[in-house]
Amino acid sequence: NAGVTQTPKFQVLKTGQSMTLQCAQDMNHEYMSWYRQDPGMGLRLIHYSVGAGITDQGEVPNGYNVSRSTTEDFPLRLLSAAPSQTSVYFCASSRQALFSYEQYFGPGTRLTVT
Amino acid sequence: GESVGLHLPTLSVQEGDNSIINCAYSNSASDYFIWYKQESGKGPQFIIDIRSNMDKRQGQRVTVLLNKTVKHLSLQIAATQPGDSAVYFCAEKESDSWGKLQFGAGTQVVVTP
Repeated sequence: NAGVTQTPKFQVLKTGQSMTLQCAQDMNHEYMSWYRQDPGMGLRLIHYSVGAGITDQGEVPNGYNVSRSTTEDFPLRLLSAAPSQTSVYFCASSRQALFSYEQYFGPGTRLTVT
Repeated sequence: GESVGLHLPTLSVQEGDNSIINCAYSNSASDYFIWYKQESGKGPQFIIDIRSNMDKRQGQRVTVLLNKTVKHLSLQIAATQPGDSAVYFCAEKESDSWGKLQFGAGTQVVVTP
């Protein structure tokens, strides 16, 4: 199993550009989520999904869109990039199991917006 | 890779000593807690978890203690090794929320020889 994969690993955007961060998992996990991580701060939840066709907002959803058309993929779209979106982005997945909510994280995408 | 530990509390530990990393959580309705380790340039990795009906859980070289009275969580690492140098995060889950974790800011652990 590859686990959770993310592409690209690094990206530089100009203000106003749009792009999609890709995330895929091969563990048949129902739950997937996107976090951003800024220096000195923990992981903040952007959007999450409890299954194909179902998404919801997290703590910091503004400026980002998601969709979940398959169990495996959960792309994150930046509609019009802003310097405040410079961050490291992590995708995570977990299975639905009683009393176990361990999330498996991808390696991250480091995004710089100039 | 670039450090994600800028401005984080730092715990400096001598190799071979035990480490204790503390975490205060905010929500008395949280029913599940988890510790992650994040090495520089990598994604977080699961260490250990604990449910709110427990006060202690042990893994390999790690122990998590939960004190619900004061809303405090700690991670103890026995015989700390250089490979334990990383940022450690605690996270909590609300009882009415499936899967959504709320992460703390993290603690940078530096193991010195």
